[in-house]
Amino acid sequence: GESVGLHLPTLSVQEGDNSIINCAYSNSASDYFIWYKQESGKGPQFIIDIRSNMDKRQGQRVTVLLNKTVKHLSLQIAATQPGDSAVYFCAEIPRFGNEKLTFGTGTRLTIIP
Amino acid sequence: EPEVTQTPSHQVTQMGQEVILRCVPISNHLYFYWYRQILGQKVEFLVSFYNNEISEKSEIFDDQFSVERPDGSNFTLKIRSTKLEDSAMYFCATTGAIRNTGELFFGEGSRLTVL
Repeated sequence: GESVGLHLPTLSVQEGDNSIINCAYSNSASDYFIWYKQESGKGPQFIIDIRSNMDKRQGQRVTVLLNKTVKHLSLQIAATQPGDSAVYFCAEIPRFGNEKLTFGTGTRLTIIP
Repeated sequence: EPEVTQTPSHQVTQMGQEVILRCVPISNHLYFYWYRQILGQKVEFLVSFYNNEISEKSEIFDDQFSVERPDGSNFTLKIRSTKLEDSAMYFCATTGAIRNTGELFFGEGSRLTVL
């Protein structure tokens, strides 16, 4: 069945360091994988997506890596800032043409000043 | 920057009462969604809506739930007879993308507390 889960519920990183947030998924037929950021009291905010036929995609200070062999997704945030403190969710679109996002349980990232 | 706006920000209701949560999508967006998040848990899909009809719904979205876009702007979620377990944050999300790549624009949510 569909499931998306995270390895760690919390992660603390020193300001300025790089952070890596990991996610495992089980549905090998998923079409897109997405990372969202949710700050306290706010709705999820899109960060970056990656299609299943890619293994790496870069954005501004973020990189998403997809390893389909082990069904693993990661989000790397470079030079973390206090504003990066949030809960990070990975999500997937289970199959082409599907409307829904299936979210994982989230990792709370805390940036230590 | 355009944003999705939701009202009310917080609603407290008695079990069995009807509630309507409202969303104003980003103006040129055509695809609308409701998600919910029970406190401390993950975000769950409820329903997607396009061209004035439901395109997909989850098992959570039973007969007690309905959606509509009554005036062409507001997108509403109605819970006919609330239960304690309906207490959650409800997020409206929209996109203008023809193909769903997962980039949705979420509102700030409506917190529903059922007593």
